[in-house]
Amino acid sequence: SQQGEEDPQALSIQEGENATMNCSYKTSINNLQWYRQNSGRGLVHLILIRSNEREKHSGRLRVTLDTSKKSSSLLITASRAADTASYFCATAITGANSKLTFGKGITLSVRP
Amino acid sequence: GAVVSQHPSWVICKSGTSVKIECRSLDFQATTMFWYRQFPKQSLMLMATSNEGSKATYEQGVEKDKFLINHASLTLSTLTVTSAHPEDSSFYICSASRQLNEKLFFGSGTQLSVL
Repeated sequence: SQQGEEDPQALSIQEGENATMNCSYKTSINNLQWYRQNSGRGLVHLILIRSNEREKHSGRLRVTLDTSKKSSSLLITASRAADTASYFCATAITGANSKLTFGKGITLSVRP
Repeated sequence: GAVVSQHPSWVICKSGTSVKIECRSLDFQATTMFWYRQFPKQSLMLMATSNEGSKATYEQGVEKDKFLINHASLTLSTLTVTSAHPEDSSFYICSASRQLNEKLFFGSGTQLSVL
């Protein structure tokens, strides 16, 4: 099965609401990253959190990492219709030099 | 941020032909590039790791004679789908990073349709 598993698989919210997406993984990691993908396009890096970090912020994004539970969450505050996209977590596994493993992704729909 | 250019964006070809996809890092040297395949509404599946000046490392189940990867310079990697068949139709994406285990910069992807 996937190293990273996101939930929920799909999320639909109203503009202005917050969106919370979760990711769980199985093995020891160097870091965990979140990416965004618009339909038919490549992925865009959002944020990276290292294994010794617990929380990180970037604009309207907040990422947490709990290595004891092997889980991470991505919070998008004050969502906008333009945030509609698929979001993936990816883990850089300890010892697996430079290779990222992606989860299945979460489809976020923000209704205007 | 860094830019990775991938082209073509889409290609339609006849069964049995070969298709080449290029991936370029425009403003940094990428000793390692990655090729992924993605089916509709699914995750990215890593196909191979492309290393400049050496043979690519393929993931289990990926046919290296089918998917030829060449990383001839620090800014260019190519993926050639040889003797393409309809089941090869997919979205192919390349990526590169400045440093090991750090963030990836992705190309915009290539939608391949084999008739």
